[in-house]
Amino acid sequence: KNEVEQSPQNLTAQEGEFITINCSYSVGISALHWLQQHPGGGIVSLFMLSSGKKKHGRLIATINIQEKHSSLHITASHPRDSAVYICAVRSYNTDKLIFGTGTRLQVFP
Amino acid sequence: DAGVIQSPRHEVTEMGQEVTLRCKPISGHNSLFWYRQTMMRGLELLIYFNNNVPIDDSGMPEDRFSAKMPNASFSTLKIQPSEPRDSAVYFCASSLEPGQAFFGQGTRLTVV
Repeated sequence: KNEVEQSPQNLTAQEGEFITINCSYSVGISALHWLQQHPGGGIVSLFMLSSGKKKHGRLIATINIQEKHSSLHITASHPRDSAVYICAVRSYNTDKLIFGTGTRLQVFP
Repeated sequence: DAGVIQSPRHEVTEMGQEVTLRCKPISGHNSLFWYRQTMMRGLELLIYFNNNVPIDDSGMPEDRFSAKMPNASFSTLKIQPSEPRDSAVYFCASSLEPGQAFFGQGTRLTVV
């Protein structure tokens, strides 16, 4: 079993829909990252969080430390949101980043 | 700031040749990471530096791989000799520890 699990693996949506991507992890962490990888391959760091909730534009990330779970929400989705979204946790013990396998999102007009 | 800069963007080389990938982190960041991404294994951390010192290289696959950070503004990842199974996208990222990591655009390496 992977230490970081994401769901769903693939997601399609119509423009304007509210989207949720989930991340569960099994190790103790010091931080959790949400990354976005564009179709061209470039990776952008969206959020780093260790508790609570962060918001940036139409993106919202939440984390529940007790339940070892994080969600990434996209409100009013747009075709330009189409990308792979990757959850990564920094292990408290080893200080390494452990990556999930990513969620491929396609938003259609 | 231009962000994390990697070069080259694409590299095609023959098996057995030496390959050097380069990375310029964001100015002021004190941590630098090298990652490899493949279809089979996803993103993997190869090595990370803190204040130019290698902290953890346990992700480096074997002795053919080496990484250096001679100063705060430059790092290299070298593969010698290269093999077809090294074909992947190699990402460099930097952060102001323990902050958010910023990634470069990656170098797509193809070893034929």
